[in-house]
Amino acid sequence: KQEVTQIPAALSVPEGENLVLNCSFTDSAIYNLQWFRQDPGKGLTSLLLIQSSQREQTSGRLNASLDKSSGRSTLYIAASQPGDSATYLCAATFGNEKLTFGTGTRLTIIP
Amino acid sequence: NAGVMQNPRHLVRRRGQEARLRCSPMKGHSHVYWYRQLPEEGLKFMVYLQKENIIDESGMPKERFSAEFPKEGPSILRIQQVVRGDSAAYFCASSPYLGTSGSYEQYFGPGTRLTVT
Repeated sequence: KQEVTQIPAALSVPEGENLVLNCSFTDSAIYNLQWFRQDPGKGLTSLLLIQSSQREQTSGRLNASLDKSSGRSTLYIAASQPGDSATYLCAATFGNEKLTFGTGTRLTIIP
Repeated sequence: NAGVMQNPRHLVRRRGQEARLRCSPMKGHSHVYWYRQLPEEGLKFMVYLQKENIIDESGMPKERFSAEFPKEGPSILRIQQVVRGDSAAYFCASSPYLGTSGSYEQYFGPGTRLTVT
């Protein structure tokens, strides 16, 4: 069974610190891994997409990595800001087009 | 280029009524996906459609739920005879033509929050 897991479920970090969010998946035959941000009561905002042939992607203060052999992806956020507070979701496609989501990490940046 | 549009944003239905949720994909996108987010749970895939075709409906409940993506107009997710357990946020996503090189990024709409009373 293809599963995506995110631990921890919640994380609090002081403003200005760098942080890493973790995502693990059970099937190394991954096509893509996508990181999203979801604010309370809102939709999903796509942050980064990593294709299976790539090792990492960067956008501004965000850097996402993908290690297929270990079944892990990380989202690195540099110099965190209160506006980064949200739930971060990772999702993967495994040989088909549907996204399998993790349950998310709820991030709180403490001013 | 407008993003994925969903309407209504909020929908209240009494038990036994029908709910119709609409999704207009981004311009140029021919693939539509529906996901459901139950309270305090993660997002789950429901169905994947191309124009006039259902490609994968492995996540759809066997009864009362149906989806379509006609040649013209938005994609529709229909829930007949709604029950309280159908209360959830329903998200639509779209992606461009896939070709043979693998998956493309999915872009999500703001969701429709269905409440069944």
